[in-house]
This record gives sequence, C-alpha cells and structure tokens, in this order.
Amino acid sequence: QVQLQESGPGLVKPSETLSLTCTVSGGAMSSNYWSWIRQSPGKGLEWIGYIYYSGSTNYNPSLKSRVTMSVDTSKNHFSLKLSSVTAADTAVYYCARTAADCFDSWGQGTLVTVSS
Amino acid sequence: DIQMTQSPSTLSASVGDRVTITCRASQSISNFLAWYQQKPGKAPNLLIYKASSLESGVPLRFSGSGSGTEFTLTISSLQPDDVATYYCQQYNGYSYTFGQGTKLEIK
Repeated sequence: QVQLQESGPGLVKPSETLSLTCTVSGGAMSSNYWSWIRQSPGKGLEWIGYIYYSGSTNYNPSLKSRVTMSVDTSKNHFSLKLSSVTAADTAVYYCARTAADCFDSWGQGTLVTVSS
Repeated sequence: DIQMTQSPSTLSASVGDRVTITCRASQSISNFLAWYQQKPGKAPNLLIYKASSLESGVPLRFSGSGSGTEFTLTISSLQPDDVATYYCQQYNGYSYTFGQGTKLEIK
C-alpha cells in the first residue's frame, strides 16, 4: 500500500517561499497524479494543485500565480513551492495520491506557520 | 468555482442510529463526488467515490447516493468509532472543492 510523507520547514517568514516535499513509498509514482491539499481553520480543505508523474501540472486558479510543483520519479518524491506567503497561508499541508476524481491515499500532514 | 454545501454542520446521534449527511453542489457534477472521514489530528480518509462506490476496507454500514447536485452519505448503524468530521468533495474535470464539513458526535 502506498505511503506518503511530507517534509519541510514548519515556520516560514511572511513574503518568503514555502517549500515542501512529499516522499512516496510502497508504490511507483508512474501513471499517477499527485496533489497538494491544505487545511486551515478559516478556509477548510483547499486543493492546491496536482502534478502528473510526467511533470504536467494543474493548479487551483486562486493560487496559480504563486504555486510551482515539481516531481523527481528517480527519488520517488514531488515538491511544492508557494511564494510570497502571508499569515493566510498558515495551514496543515497534505500530499495525496489523486485517483482522477478523488484522493485515495494521504500523507499525515505537516503544519506550516507563517510568522516573523 | 463550484461550491459545496454540507448539512448539517453538527450532528449528534445515538449508537445504532441511522445517520444521513447531505451535500449540495452549486451546479451539476454528475457523479464526481467523494466522501471522507477525518478524525482529530489525522488526515482525511476516503470512504466513498463516484457518489456511491465504497472504497476498499471501508465498513459496509457506510453508503453514498445521489447525482447531479444533491448527494447523501448514510451510516446505517452508528458506531462509537464513527465519531469524526465528514467532508464531501467534488471534481468538475479540472479542479476540486470540498464541503465545509459535518461534525458527528455521539449522544
């Protein structure tokens, strides 16, 4: 069974770039879409975007101008960069395998706080 | 954006009760609707996909129905382990949105 694990800094300063990595184990990354989702008390669950194993991407229009995703199948991981962060970007960030129309495997989540 | 509205926001029921949660989409999404269960401090867990298909390993007391704009998640006989927050989620071909959640408690 595929397992996902998020990693990255838990504290990011305002205006800087949030960077997270999701490591996939127990299964191949090929032929799958991989998403980032965040959860905050104020906005609930919000899909950030997905990346296909080949590198093609699809981002939430509300975040598109600040989001970059990348994938490295040789290392079995994919990454998220969110630029120009503010306090509104404070959330628990999850990575998830995307089964076309739903998310069938999730990481445990990592809390990222934006604060100086 | 397609908006997803769940009701009720909070639900209190007794062990053994039949429980129903409703999710409405702001426009038709065919059957591209999923349900998740989230326990405190944990990631959401997929229960139902394509409105009525039960994810492998999910107890049979969970079921989903609906199409178009109105969907329901039913727990046929509530168990103590079902205390959680439940979310619906839609896919419209290019983006995904979630409902605001329904917190389920035991009386």
